[in-house]
Amino acid sequence: SQQGEEDPQALSIQEGENATMNCSYKTSINNLQWYRQNSGRGLVHLILIRSNEREKHSGRLRVTLDTSKKSSSLLITASRAADTASYFCATDTGGGNKLTFGTGTQLKVEL
Amino acid sequence: DTGVSQDPRHKITKRGQNVTFRCDPISEHNRLYWYRQTLGQGPEFLTYFQNEAQLEKSRLLSDRFSAERPKGSFSTLEIQRTEQGDSAMYLCASRPGQGGTGELFFGEGSRLTVL
Repeated sequence: SQQGEEDPQALSIQEGENATMNCSYKTSINNLQWYRQNSGRGLVHLILIRSNEREKHSGRLRVTLDTSKKSSSLLITASRAADTASYFCATDTGGGNKLTFGTGTQLKVEL
Repeated sequence: DTGVSQDPRHKITKRGQNVTFRCDPISEHNRLYWYRQTLGQGPEFLTYFQNEAQLEKSRLLSDRFSAERPKGSFSTLEIQRTEQGDSAMYLCASRPGQGGTGELFFGEGSRLTVL
């Protein structure tokens, strides 16, 4: 089953613009992670935010977490065509340390 | 460290045949996970090993599916009597048992097409 739902399902922007993706989840978490997947490839870890953190930055990525609303957002600033991919949030609820993934946002960055 | 490797990358089979996928995790990682991903969806958890012990199985893992990790290194996922609904990308991931940041390291996946 999917723990999270992501919004929007698809997003198309111009190079240089910012892209924001949102993730909602259902149960308490230890941490929330974001992954990127290029078409037909495996997933690559982008960033992890722990349940006691509210915001985290990594390069052009900014992640926020609101545990009261059970939601997170991923902001990619100054997007590039190479950022075109699907982005998934994943929650770690602590049981076996498996991750439960959301449904994903398909981002297309056009030149 | 060459990352997580999966073999084969693509497999086309006829309904009713058996297929086996292999995953070689990062060498010092003692936790290994299998996920299944269908088109347009996120990965869904199938099963998880710590060393050679299979510690958790999803209800998605019907009795036609079996996974092993005999020596706590590589793992295999076998699907018997394949059905068209088994067509998906099968992803393997690993992580260290202790320490680390909690992230999973994924392989490139094995894409199964059942005709």
